[in-house]
Amino acid sequence: EDQVTQSPEALRLQEGESSSLNCSYTVSGLRGLFWYRQDPGKGPEFLFTLYSAGEEKEKERLKATLTKKESFLHITAPKPEDSATYLCAPRDAGGFKTIFGAGTRLFVKA
Amino acid sequence: NAGVTQTPKFRVLKTGQSMTLLCAQDMNHEYMYWYRQDPGMGLRLIHYSVGEGTTAKGEVPDGYNVSRLKKQNFLLGLESAAPSQTSVYFCASSGRGTGELFFGEGSRLTVL
Repeated sequence: EDQVTQSPEALRLQEGESSSLNCSYTVSGLRGLFWYRQDPGKGPEFLFTLYSAGEEKEKERLKATLTKKESFLHITAPKPEDSATYLCAPRDAGGFKTIFGAGTRLFVKA
Repeated sequence: NAGVTQTPKFRVLKTGQSMTLLCAQDMNHEYMYWYRQDPGMGLRLIHYSVGEGTTAKGEVPDGYNVSRLKKQNFLLGLESAAPSQTSVYFCASSGRGTGELFFGEGSRLTVL
């Protein structure tokens, strides 16, 4: 059975304090792993797609990496506006279904 | 360019009532999806469609029906609402083969 586990559930950082979010997955025939950002009361917003182990993508203070079993979202020198829930979502072999983790709620204090 | 639009945004139902959630997208996407989001459980796929006139079951389809009569619209129906269907519902769409999902703002449904 396909599974996605994100940790930690919540993370509180001071502004400028770098950290990483973890996503562990078990998906048959992975066809892309996606990261989304979700603000309260809003729908998720696409951040990155990773397709193969060793791949990295960057956007401003965020960098996503992928191994065969895990993905990490590294946050460098975060700002309060980075506060949100970050969702990890691998896509299955069929290519139609994207499976979402429960998310990591990030709080960045000024 | 509105992207993905969901209506209504909020609804309160009594147990046993029926309702339909409407999703409309203006990006000419082939694929459309309905998810529900509950605290601590993440987004779970209810039904999806890979093209006009086609639908398929996702992870939690029981108690829901869908229809995709037009490419731009995807309807989610609850025939007899139950308290367990209290949730936030998200519609999403994606282009063929891209995988990137574009989400609506969500529809918050409460069943009393």
